[in-house]
Amino acid sequence: GAGVSQSPSNKVTEKGKDVELRCDPISGHTALYWYRQSLGQGLEFLIYFQGNSAPDKSGLPSDRFSAERTGGSVSTLTIQRTQQEDSAVYLCASSLEVAGVAETQYFGPGTRLLVL
Amino acid sequence: QQPVQSPQAVILREGEDAVINCSSSKALYSVHWYRQKHGEAPVFLMILLKGGEQKGHDKISASFNEKKQQSSLYLTASQLSYSGTYFCGTETLNTGFQKLVFGTGTRLLVSP
Repeated sequence: GAGVSQSPSNKVTEKGKDVELRCDPISGHTALYWYRQSLGQGLEFLIYFQGNSAPDKSGLPSDRFSAERTGGSVSTLTIQRTQQEDSAVYLCASSLEVAGVAETQYFGPGTRLLVL
Repeated sequence: QQPVQSPQAVILREGEDAVINCSSSKALYSVHWYRQKHGEAPVFLMILLKGGEQKGHDKISASFNEKKQQSSLYLTASQLSYSGTYFCGTETLNTGFQKLVFGTGTRLLVSP
């Protein structure tokens, strides 16, 4: 089946504008993660959705960042009033949800965001 | 909470071996290893669970030392295709199950 897809693949925006990044997880995967990766850096956890539970938002860097997941499938990461330091690759991953153990995360190709 | 990876970078000639370490300050429940090639998404390599066996496939294997709160990734007889950045992701009781905290990565370059 299809893997994790993300759109857009690239986004250039002006400082102060809002952006929306979309993630379509693998069908049947109930866990969904958003990460940020700055140039040459590691994976920074942003937010985690697990089934019907309240999302773990502990990694969101500021209140300008928010995410939602509709119908337990597609997720949208929104960045309001973008700043230049928001420029990075935003990666989405999904996994099966199995009680008691972290399952393999399948990553999408990412959205490269550039804030001018 | 972020695990520490060492070395930060390593250059090998094709056929040489390498070890990448991942150390945590917290008690580990599982360790996940991923490889990311330049410009691509990370790809899963293997999971090691607390109390589980050493894993491996092909010439890449890994171990999990619960006492030392550490995992090591072993690359033997390296191939050009092994080049990339290797990340460990750790699952601890502090972070909550199914949530991984990734290390800063180890850049591996295999040259002919």
